[in-house]
Amino acid sequence: DAKTTQPPSMDCAEGRAANLPCNHSTISGNEYVYWYRQIHSQGPQYIIHGLKNNETNEMASLIITEDRKSSTLILPHATLRDTAVYYCIVRSRIKTNAGKSTFGDGTTLTVKP
Amino acid sequence: GAVVSQHPSRVICKSGTSVKIECRSLDFQATTMFWYRQFPKKSLMLMATSNEGSKATYEQGVEKDKFLINHASLTLSTLTVTSAHPEDSSFYICSARDLGDSTYEQYFGPGTRLTVT
Repeated sequence: DAKTTQPPSMDCAEGRAANLPCNHSTISGNEYVYWYRQIHSQGPQYIIHGLKNNETNEMASLIITEDRKSSTLILPHATLRDTAVYYCIVRSRIKTNAGKSTFGDGTTLTVKP
Repeated sequence: GAVVSQHPSRVICKSGTSVKIECRSLDFQATTMFWYRQFPKKSLMLMATSNEGSKATYEQGVEKDKFLINHASLTLSTLTVTSAHPEDSSFYICSARDLGDSTYEQYFGPGTRLTVT
């Protein structure tokens, strides 16, 4: 699986949009971009994923660049409960390789009042 | 959505003893489960891939005789930490891949906090 790089930490004001970047310059054509977050002492929580098109769900939006070498997770209106470590992962959906996730160091997002 | 559980959520054991952690897929069948370990303020590190009915595949540097994995059914995988030492204290997380899901999504459990005294 391709490696990802993320800034170690970010701050965001409550109610503002949080934009979390991720670089995945070695991503291959069959790899999807996934975002998870982890609140202290809990398992990772799925947020969103995409292949090449931008995606939006009730939690967040995912913007993937045209060359697919980077992406941005957007939390439109951050709340204090969004404080967590956010992981960007690229993962294959080919059967023989699918499901195995390699975690980088992630970004610690701190939402401040 | 698909749910993965782990039991126990927390365990404290004495040095030299063994402890078993269970990972269950509650509403789907999982041919493959993954075991991760996470030290404080660190990221998740993949330990092994557990395949139903066959031997687990361990990542480089993970001792297979110390971390015994059994995936005896499509809904249960167990990780046994044998002869535990304080340095084995960590947060252990499993995830499962849905057999019936063509997208091969991965669902994470809530984790098990192991403390070895």
